[in-house]
Formats: sequence, C-alpha cells, structure tokens
Amino acid sequence: AQSVAQPEDQVNVAEGNPLTVKCTYSVSGNPYLFWYVQYPNRGLQFLLKYITGDNLVKGSYGFEAEFNKSQTSFHLKKPSALVSDSALYFCAVKNTGGFKTIFGAGTRLFVKA
Amino acid sequence: NAGVTQTPKFQVLKTGQSMTLQCAQDMNHNSMYWYRQDPGMGLRLIYYSASEGTTDKGEVPNGYNVSRLNKREFSLRLESAAPSQTSVYFCASETGTARGGYTFGSGTRLTVV
Repeated sequence: AQSVAQPEDQVNVAEGNPLTVKCTYSVSGNPYLFWYVQYPNRGLQFLLKYITGDNLVKGSYGFEAEFNKSQTSFHLKKPSALVSDSALYFCAVKNTGGFKTIFGAGTRLFVKA
Repeated sequence: NAGVTQTPKFQVLKTGQSMTLQCAQDMNHNSMYWYRQDPGMGLRLIYYSASEGTTDKGEVPNGYNVSRLNKREFSLRLESAAPSQTSVYFCASETGTARGGYTFGSGTRLTVV
C-alpha cells in the first residue's frame, strides 16, 4: 500500500534562511512524487513533481526537491525563504501506472520576517 | 481559464439531509477525483473516475456516491449527511497519464449540524 509521512507538523524559519520540509514515502514499484502548496482559504496548487531522471527537481516559486531512492525521501527545499512562502505544504505519491494519489498530512511552514 | 470549478463554496446541512457537490473542468482531462481535507489528516481520497464512464472507490467512500456525468463533470452526493462528514471537499482533475499533477478546485466547506 502507498503511504506518505511528513514528520513535522510545523516548520519555522527566518526570512532569508534556507528551508527544508521533509517527506518520506512507501510505494510498490517506481514512485511518482509531488509537492503541493495551500495558501489560507485556497485550494491546492501544484509545485513540482518527480517522475524519472535527475534526482533534483525544480519547481515553481524557487522551490526544489531532492529524490533519494535509498532513503525513500523527497524533501522540499528553498535556498532563501520569503514571508510569502508561509503556507501548508503537502507531499504526495502515486505508483507507476496508478491513478490514486496519496497525500501526507501536511506541514505548515511559517516564515518570520 | 476556469480550470476546475466547484459549487457551492459553502454549505450547512442538518443531519440526514442530502446534497450534491458539483465539479466541472474545462481542460479536457480524463481523470477526476474527490478528496476531503480534515485537520491533521491531509487529503483523503473519496472516489475517483479514471475516465469517462468509470468510477472507483478511494480510501473513505462510505456515505458517498459519485456520478461521472460526462468528461467535464464529476459530482459527489451525500445521501444522508452525518456530522462526521463535516469537512472541506476538493475536486481535482488530471490528464490521466499518471505522470501529471492535479489541478484542484477551490473547495467546498461543508458543515453538518
């Protein structure tokens, strides 16, 4: 069965500092991995995805994520955080050929000015 | 570019009442999904439709029914609402290649009293 774990309920960083939001997954076969962001009272927006190829994936708003197969992780990163990055972030996984995407519980990112 | 449109945005129901949440997409996507979002639990898949004419159960289908009316529209029905169905409901769509990310609607906040 597929599963996603986001071990931190909340991540606090100062503006200008690098940020990391952690995600680990479990899936049979090769995974498709995704990050989504939800701003207050809004729907979810797609940030980036890993399908195959380069382990470092670049996405919207300066975010990137690193796929690590041996550690079954897909951590979200940004070199310099902005206050406007404060939001709820969801990691998600889908197995190859599947239709169902499973989401993690979410991590709230708070960036302090 | 409407994307995914959900109606209504807000709804209050009494226990035992029924209602239908509507979802329509204008991106010619094959696959459509209904998720519910509850605090600390992320998004949980209720039902999905891999293509027009097909529907399948997700993680939490009990108490819900769906209809894929045509390629554009995918509705979610609560036949007899219960307080446990108080949640925020999101509709999503994707191309169906299993490689894409979802496009989400803006959500329906449902309260059952």
